Amino acid sequence: EAGVAQSPRYKIIEKRQSVAFWCNPISGHATLYWYQQILGQGPKLLIQFQNNGVVDDSQLPKDRFSAERLKGVDSTLKIQPAKLEDSAVYLCASSQETVSYEQYFGPGTRLTVT
Amino acid sequence: DAKTTQPPSMDCAEGRAANLPCNHSTISGNEYVYWYRQIHSQGPQYIIHGLKNNETNEMASLIITEDRKSSTLILPHATLRDTAVYYCIVKVDKIIFGKGTRLHILP
Repeated sequence: EAGVAQSPRYKIIEKRQSVAFWCNPISGHATLYWYQQILGQGPKLLIQFQNNGVVDDSQLPKDRFSAERLKGVDSTLKIQPAKLEDSAVYLCASSQETVSYEQYFGPGTRLTVT
Repeated sequence: DAKTTQPPSMDCAEGRAANLPCNHSTISGNEYVYWYRQIHSQGPQYIIHGLKNNETNEMASLIITEDRKSSTLILPHATLRDTAVYYCIVKVDKIIFGKGTRLHILP
């Protein structure tokens, strides 16, 4: 089966610019996650969707980050405006609704903010 | 959430068993132990999980002590492809990653 797809793989922007990341989860996976991974640290959950709805966005910096999951499939994560500290790898993951501990991760998008 | 403690790094000779320890002394009765790994430049990969009993799958074995305060992930015959950061996670509903153990497999 096809894995979790993410694009772009790399992005370089200047601070105060905006950027968007796209994720296509594994077919049939109801739950979708966005993580931020800063160099040297483990991934940090930003937001979790269950179908179309948000389950957890407690660690999403809502003043600059937004995410949506239209029709319960693809998702986009946006940062506007970007800050230097947003430089990180943004990982998307998905899981079956009843097997949420087994998350399948995409390759990630490496964002560099200069 | 229970906190986990893992050594920052470990070495293991290729072909030998890699034993990765994890302390979780504040684990609650309904919290599972999960293990993920992250190979360089890839997303994390689920390995195994358990509650009380020891578990084994095609990738690894998980040994949980009787008091559940610690566990060990065992890779029975480590290969160079097992070089990765290994995360031990304890949680009921949400996966929270720490810094993990960086495992180096030595040829």
